[in-house]
Amino acid sequence: GAGVSQTPSNKVTEKGKYVELRCDPISGHTALYWYRQSLGQGPEFLIYFQGTGAADDSGLPNDRFFAVRPEGSVSTLKIQRTERGDSAVYLCASSQGWLGEQYFGPGTRLTVT
Amino acid sequence: AQKITQTQPGMFVQEKEAVTLDCTYDTSDQSYGLFWYKQPSSGEMIFLIYQGSYDEQNATEGRYSLNFQKARKSANLVISASQLGDSAMYFCALSYGNNRLAFGKGNQVVVIP
Repeated sequence: GAGVSQTPSNKVTEKGKYVELRCDPISGHTALYWYRQSLGQGPEFLIYFQGTGAADDSGLPNDRFFAVRPEGSVSTLKIQRTERGDSAVYLCASSQGWLGEQYFGPGTRLTVT
Repeated sequence: AQKITQTQPGMFVQEKEAVTLDCTYDTSDQSYGLFWYKQPSSGEMIFLIYQGSYDEQNATEGRYSLNFQKARKSANLVISASQLGDSAMYFCALSYGNNRLAFGKGNQVVVIP
């Protein structure tokens, strides 16, 4: 079956602009996670959804970052007033329930110029 | 706080040989999980193997096995009979809380013919 998909695969934006990154999880997976991976590092947790609600958003670095999952499937990560330090690969993962292995998408590479 | 340590420098391994990737972790949780993911140059995180903290037997998945030593807080990955396609970054991760993952910095493996 289809895996986790993310769009766009690459996004270049200017400092100060607003961006939206989309994640389409595996069908039937109720848990959805966002991570951020900087160059040479492992992914860092941002936010976790169980169904439609954000069950844990403790990894969001500041209030410029926000994510939604209105119908319990597709999720959008939104970044306001982007800064150069936001440049990274943003990874989305889903799992069946809140336990079990997470399946990752290919990521969105965000570059803020 | 949860912490994963992967300190080996980049490794070169001969095709068909075995390679061991070290991972140590620190957590105060009694119940947790340990994962290994592979990240090839394409960027996607590929799930390899999982070990639960209460599992008494070491996990195995095909050519992958996890050497879990709970008292030492180590979860080393062993890849047997290395193949050229095994060249990638390998990440150890600890799951805690809402199954959020804390990743190490990764180990680079290059398989040479």
